[in-house]
Amino acid sequence: GAGVSQSPRYKVAKRGQDVALRCDPISGHVSLFWYQQALGQGPEFLTYFQNEAQLDKSGLPSDRFFAERPEGSVSTLKIQRTQQEDSAVYLCASGTDNQPQHFGDGTRLSIL
Amino acid sequence: DQQVKQNSPSLSVQEGRISILNCDYTNSMFDYFLWYKKYPAEGPTFLISISSIKDKNEDGRFTVFLNKSAKHLSLHIVPSQPGDSAVYFCAARYWDTNAGKSTFGDGTTLTVKP
Repeated sequence: GAGVSQSPRYKVAKRGQDVALRCDPISGHVSLFWYQQALGQGPEFLTYFQNEAQLDKSGLPSDRFFAERPEGSVSTLKIQRTQQEDSAVYLCASGTDNQPQHFGDGTRLSIL
Repeated sequence: DQQVKQNSPSLSVQEGRISILNCDYTNSMFDYFLWYKKYPAEGPTFLISISSIKDKNEDGRFTVFLNKSAKHLSLHIVPSQPGDSAVYFCAARYWDTNAGKSTFGDGTTLTVKP
């Protein structure tokens, strides 16, 4: 497709399990962002890649969160030892130059 | 400390009338502002933006106004249509940093009644 694709759309995990969320950006987009959106709130920045380089990870809430983009296209956000407060929608966005970002539809993560 | 605030969680407007959504920010270093529209179970989609060198930007039925001295921006939709019913997010960023990570408000849910 032409847009940003995220998978899975929904993920349920038990507390303590590890999860991996995938983002396929728009082809050719250099920039890739991950955001976390809690219920009733706006998206909050987690991390930013330019090609394969992770230039900003200041928004990652703890060292349990890890993101990678090894070949400068697909990105994976990994959360280790999940906790209930990790429950949220995780949004991926891609962009080019300083143009507005294009968002995917998100992965809704529920931790039981 | 929330740097971008949308103080009205919801707004209801009659079809054909004007919708005005408001946004305040506290960080004077922000110099580029965006509005996104979000339907349920979808990601936000870009609507309109404005840089700090302007005080108005218009695109069809959508106009964004920026008052830098008041650190306030607003989105006007005229005329409002039922398809405009969605959550609207205001976002702000620095223009020259890494294509700009954006800081979002918590959104305003707009309902346009037929």
